[in-house]
Amino acid sequence: NAGVMQNPRHLVRRRGQEARLRCSPMKGHSHVYWYRQLPEEGLKFMVYLQKENIIDESGMPKERFSAEFPKEGPSILRIQQVVRGDSAAYFCASSPTTGSGANVLTFGAGSRLTVL
Amino acid sequence: GENVEQHPSTLSVQEGDSAVIKCTYSDSASNYFPWYKQELGKRPQLIIDIRSNVGEKKDQRIAVTLNKTAKHFSLHITETQPEDSAVYFCAASSTDKLIFGTGTRLQVFP
Repeated sequence: NAGVMQNPRHLVRRRGQEARLRCSPMKGHSHVYWYRQLPEEGLKFMVYLQKENIIDESGMPKERFSAEFPKEGPSILRIQQVVRGDSAAYFCASSPTTGSGANVLTFGAGSRLTVL
Repeated sequence: GENVEQHPSTLSVQEGDSAVIKCTYSDSASNYFPWYKQELGKRPQLIIDIRSNVGEKKDQRIAVTLNKTAKHFSLHITETQPEDSAVYFCAASSTDKLIFGTGTRLQVFP
């Protein structure tokens, strides 16, 4: 089991460009979560998705940020018109649907976005 | 929504001593309380968790206690070792999403 796979691991963008971060959940997991971690800070919840559905996006900024988890392929976190304040590590996590493992999040290695 | 507070923000101990990290949560419906360890530049990794139907859980040198009445839970690490040095995060969940505390940076000095 390859675990939660995130790419790219490092991404550099200039202000105003777009950033796309991808996440493939663990095999058998159908729930995907995105968290943002600023340097020296904690993990802030952004969005929770199931296949083709956004379940909870209460932590997503209202503008420029969007997320999807299509029927086929990885989940994508998209940041449009990036600003310096978007520089952070973006962690994806996945969990099983039901059973004793529900809520147990396994994290990917993270994607570190740097905005110049 | 859920709010999780964590203390202390930094903790320094001598190797072999015990370390205790405390968290409080606001949502009385929360029923799952994991602890994650994050080493520098690495991903958060689950080290222990507890559900609201138990008050204490132990795994070797690590234990977690839960007081649902007071809405707080704690991580206890005994016989600390230098490799325990990391940032530790508590979290709470009432629905399917985890809300994390702000983290505790633990340093274990040899």
